[in-house]
This record gives sequence, structure tokens and C-alpha cells, in this order.
Amino acid sequence: QVQLVESGGGVVQPGGSLRLSCAASGFTFTNYGMHWVRQAPGKGLEWVAFVRFDGSNKYYADSVKGRFSISRDSSKNTLYLQMSSLRVEDTAVYYCAKDARRFGSYFHYWGQGTLVTVSS
Amino acid sequence: EIVLTQSPGTLSLSPGEGATLSCRASQSVNSTFLAWYQQKPGQAPRLLMYGASNRATGIPDRFSGSGSGTDFTLSISRLEPEDFALYYCQQHGRSPLTFGGGTKVEIK
Repeated sequence: QVQLVESGGGVVQPGGSLRLSCAASGFTFTNYGMHWVRQAPGKGLEWVAFVRFDGSNKYYADSVKGRFSISRDSSKNTLYLQMSSLRVEDTAVYYCAKDARRFGSYFHYWGQGTLVTVSS
Repeated sequence: EIVLTQSPGTLSLSPGEGATLSCRASQSVNSTFLAWYQQKPGQAPRLLMYGASNRATGIPDRFSGSGSGTDFTLSISRLEPEDFALYYCQQHGRSPLTFGGGTKVEIK
């Protein structure tokens, strides 16, 4: 069965950096696009970033463009989100999600999330 | 950016009753690109419907979806205790991918 396990969350000061990881198993990682989606405490869902199945194209929400970078390592079946210049408003649970297809569609499976808190 | 507006914000119903949740888009969305998710407290969202009317694997047939253009609906025919949760619609036809604000279905 599909499993997505996020890690790397924690408390960081404004302006700091953090790298999130998502270990994927139960499917052929190289066949599917992957996303990061976040949810601020008590708020709704916000799509953050997407990378195509082969890493060839990456897309970002305007709110994180230039500060966050999504990548994937097919040798480790792992998705990453490098976050820098973090702001208080980046505080959220970050979910990795498997796309239903290679080039981007809906979020087929979700991990359990990792909490990022940006606070001084 | 396509803005999705869900209504009502909260639906208070009793088990066994039917529920109708609305999702309205600020511009036309091909129904192929409209999905619904369910989220329970402390859990990750779960895919319910894709292509507006296709149930995801394992989703019971009391859930159904419909709509086209700018108006979409998620219906639950007879609410079971496990159906009381938050529901989000989402479009993936245009970047950025966007979600509605959610409808909470609570026990009356």
C-alpha cells in the first residue's frame, strides 16, 4: 500500500531554513508527480509546490516562490522541500501528497504531515 | 487564480440525514479537474472524488458528486457517524492549484 512519511519539521526562527523530507513506498516513485500542501493551524489547505515525475519541471505557489525549493531523489524514493527565509506565516502542517499522474492532477494519497513552527 | 467558494460553512445534521455541499468557482472549471477531499480532526485529508463524479477507491456509494462549469456539488445520501468531518473541493485545471475554504459537517 502507498505510504508517505514526512519528517524534518520543528521550530525555527524567522529568517531561518529547514528541509522537509517525505519517504515514499508502495508505488513506483518515478512514475508520479509529487506535491507539498500545507495547512496553517485551524485553517484550510494551501498547495505549496509540485514536481513532475522525472523532476523536469517544478511549480510553486506565489507565497513561497523564490524561498522554497522542491526536489526529488529517485534513488532514495524521497521528496524534499527546502525552505529558506521562513516567515511566521509559514507556520503550518506540511503534507506531502502523491499525484494521480505524472504531469499533475489531484492529490491521490497524503502523508500524515510534519509541523513547522516559525517563531522567535 | 481560480477561487473556490464552498457553502455552507457548517452543516448541522443528524445521522441518517442527507447532506448537500456546494463548491462554486470564480471561473469555469472542466469537471475533469475538480476533486473533493474529506478531513477528520488530527488526520490528513483523504481523496473522496475526482473528475467531479468519480469515487476514489474504497469510498462508499452514499457519496456522489456532480456539476459542471462553475457549480459543483458533493452529496451524502445517508450520513453515517464517520462522515462527520470537514470537506474541501479542489481544482487542478489551472495553476495555482486551489482549494475551497471547506464545509464542516457536524452532528446536530
